[in-house]
Amino acid sequence: EVQLVESGGGLVQPGGSLRLSCAASGFTFSSYSMNWVRQAPGKGLEWVSYISSSSSTIYYADSVKGRFTISRDNAKNSLYLQMNSLRAEDTAVYYCARVRAIDFDYWGQGTLVTVSS
Amino acid sequence: QSALTQPRSVSGSPGQSVTISCTGTSSDVGGYNYVSWYQQHPGKAPKLMIYDVTKRPSGVPDRFSGSKSGNTASLTISGLQAEDEADYYCCSYAGSYTWVFGGGTKLTVL
Repeated sequence: EVQLVESGGGLVQPGGSLRLSCAASGFTFSSYSMNWVRQAPGKGLEWVSYISSSSSTIYYADSVKGRFTISRDNAKNSLYLQMNSLRAEDTAVYYCARVRAIDFDYWGQGTLVTVSS
Repeated sequence: QSALTQPRSVSGSPGQSVTISCTGTSSDVGGYNYVSWYQQHPGKAPKLMIYDVTKRPSGVPDRFSGSKSGNTASLTISGLQAEDEADYYCCSYAGSYTWVFGGGTKLTVL
């Protein structure tokens, strides 16, 4: 059974940093590209970042470019999102999602990031 | 990238059909046959319902169907059931490994 479990969320002050993790199981993690998608409270989904299976290709939404860094460790079946210079508008539930081809076929349950003083 | 445009809400009675539209541009919906739809129940993770505009993943009822014309994609749910009540999001590939989502549509089963 495919499982994606996010962790690392919490309360952080504006300007602070946080590192999210996504632990994958039930599939060959190293064969799949992955994404981070976020959802602000009561709002819609927003694509955040993409990483290919080998980490050779990485893309970011303009809203996080230069502040967030996506990475993965295929040996540990894990995906990461390093978030720096956090702003109030980054407050959201962050989901990791597996890329099937050009869509997202499995999602984690999400981890809540709250940016507030 | 601007979000795709969806109606904020739609409703229908059990057994009826509803259609949710998703309007983008020639740079996303109109430019690629890579529109997907996700169902999200409150407090839950999104679930893939339609991919590549018209295809259904294994396990998704055939009551769910997708289509596209120009810059507008649509999700149709026929034979509405109570468990279909949820938020629905469209998503389009926008090139260069970037994606754009719609604002979401709340489906109410009356």
